[in-house]
Amino acid sequence: DQQVKQNSPSLSVQEGRISILNCDYTNSMFDYFLWYKKYPAEGPTFLISISSIKDKNEDGRFTVFLNKSAKHLSLHIVPSQPGDSAVYFCAADTQGGSEKLVFGKGTKLTVNP
Amino acid sequence: KAGVTQTPRYLIKTRGQQVTLSCSPISGHRSVSWYQQTPGQGLQFLFEYFSETQRNKGNFPGRFSGRQFSNSRSEMNVSTLELGDSALYLCASSNPGAYNEQFFGPGTRLTVL
Repeated sequence: DQQVKQNSPSLSVQEGRISILNCDYTNSMFDYFLWYKKYPAEGPTFLISISSIKDKNEDGRFTVFLNKSAKHLSLHIVPSQPGDSAVYFCAADTQGGSEKLVFGKGTKLTVNP
Repeated sequence: KAGVTQTPRYLIKTRGQQVTLSCSPISGHRSVSWYQQTPGQGLQFLFEYFSETQRNKGNFPGRFSGRQFSNSRSEMNVSTLELGDSALYLCASSNPGAYNEQFFGPGTRLTVL
């Protein structure tokens, strides 16, 4: 039973355009969501997070949107850069921070120059 | 501040053997979590240790075990290795609290022949 789903295994965009990565979840107990970026041969790197009390969080070129009623979140990268090419993982946590993150299977983003 | 370190980075074992992986968290971090990453399943939570105690456990067989030392360093052990145990094993450290992001090490790539 996959509680966090990233339905697009891959995404390709042109440099300078917007990248939108999507994530759906099924567990209503999740109330904190994180995005991690992973390059080959490296561990995941924390990118941005959002609490369920918000519907948007911005950090530079990265914005995460949360739609609780739809149990859906998305990561927007604007403008996309070739260095953004990596695998992006969506993760979810429960109230109080359980240290037990539930991850999606990842979306491989390729930004073409 | 040094990041999370994991040793060894690569390991090749044969079926039936056992293996021990090591993780040194970021200085001051007291929680260490372990994850298994495989192409088909993404990142899956194994267990989490805090103050030398296992606080959370994922859905893995008893062949997978771990421990944490007083200096917060952690080891995980896999006994009676199976081909399906081939994976990237990731360690993450954090300071427990409300919604602290986890910082990942580069992982140990285990190949079981």
